[in-house]
Amino acid sequence: DVKVTQSSRYLVKRTGEKVFLECVQDMDHENMFWYRQDPGLGLRLIYFSYDVKMKEKGDIPEGYSVSREKKERFSLILESASTNQTSMYLCASSLRTGRGVNTEAFFGQGTRLTVV
Amino acid sequence: AQSVTQLDSQVPVFEEAPVELRCNYSSSVSVYLFWYVQYPNQGLQLLLKYLSGSTLVESINGFEAEFNKSQTSFHLRKPSVHISDTAEYFCAVGKSSGDKLTFGTGTRLAVRP
Repeated sequence: DVKVTQSSRYLVKRTGEKVFLECVQDMDHENMFWYRQDPGLGLRLIYFSYDVKMKEKGDIPEGYSVSREKKERFSLILESASTNQTSMYLCASSLRTGRGVNTEAFFGQGTRLTVV
Repeated sequence: AQSVTQLDSQVPVFEEAPVELRCNYSSSVSVYLFWYVQYPNQGLQLLLKYLSGSTLVESINGFEAEFNKSQTSFHLRKPSVHISDTAEYFCAVGKSSGDKLTFGTGTRLAVRP
């Protein structure tokens, strides 16, 4: 089974802190994504990556950055956490299109971040 | 640009009753369509997907969805729901199967005994 693991289920951070959210997948997926989930807004794409060292902005990248130094790991960084970044963060990974049958996205359990 | 509309934020239903969760999308290109389910305090799990071929797709737990290109819809249905189906359901579209997804705002299905 594909496994996408997010390092923390719950985090509480202070305003202004630098926050790292880690995501690791074990199925050799090329594509990795970070979404945030808010009530009434669904999931919105923050950043994504199609390969190591590559990154592209999603729909709401402001206040975030990412790092993909290894294929299996995709980190989301909040440079200076703010209260409006309190949210559920979901990581996902998928195979590059054409590499197999099950190329849909697989999600981690989520990290619920509270910024106080 | 793509967008997804889930018209119902909450759907209450009694156990063993039928249910339909509505999803409409807009896109200037051909898309792939997905339904994901999120049980309380968990991540998203793929429920079913439409990539090509038969417009009616089914999941292993009795849900089905029909792709209707003319109405740009991908409604999710189940003829008889169980308490365990209580969850939030998200409709999503992507330009390819493994690509980034655009999600709807979700529908919370509440099954009552």
